[in-house]
Amino acid sequence: DAMVIQNPRYQVTQFGKPVTLSCSQTLNHNVMYWYQQKSSQAPKLLFHYYDKDFNNEADTPDNFQSRRPNTSFCFLDIRSPGLGDAAMYLCATSRDRRGRTADTQYFGPGTRLTVL
Amino acid sequence: GEDVEQSLFLSVREGDSSVINCTYTDSSSTYLYWYKQEPGAGLQLLTYIFSNMDMKQDQRLTVLLNKKDKHLSLRIADTQTGDSAIYFCAELNTGFQKLVFGTGTRLLVSP
Repeated sequence: DAMVIQNPRYQVTQFGKPVTLSCSQTLNHNVMYWYQQKSSQAPKLLFHYYDKDFNNEADTPDNFQSRRPNTSFCFLDIRSPGLGDAAMYLCATSRDRRGRTADTQYFGPGTRLTVL
Repeated sequence: GEDVEQSLFLSVREGDSSVINCTYTDSSSTYLYWYKQEPGAGLQLLTYIFSNMDMKQDQRLTVLLNKKDKHLSLRIADTQTGDSAIYFCAELNTGFQKLVFGTGTRLLVSP
């Protein structure tokens, strides 16, 4: 089945130690998103890629970076995780985002990040 | 503004109908979505409605859209314990081309 896959499902890191979260998709969608979701809150968009075009949200901290080496994969890098970065990180994809209808986003299962 | 609001909590008995409400502010939204999130999991797309529709039915799910009042609802018929989850509504903000999520409604279904 076509799907959005996130690895690992659970990640523990130490304060200040860089960490990378992975997302892959078999939907062949050209748009990929990263969201941060803290406990009991709505998902918050960090950034997205439209093909190779990177789009950062204005309030996303510089500590968060992303890479998209090809259509299928997208990575979230947290350069120096703080305690406040502990959250669920959700990856999503959509088929097209500009000037089209039905920009439905399909989500992966998420990676829960713990910062010690 | 981009506020999407939902009531925080809803409790129903198994077999009853559940109605989850959502209000949004962007009158230019083209699509409105309902997502379900079970504990520790990602968001599962349940259904969506295009802004020129008033109603959409999909098996046990009925979505009603009142554009005048910017009100969206999700009705779940014959609610089951497996429906217990957090439900998020979301609007596609066409100005900024992004999804804006509501605060989420926690649905608890008791036997």
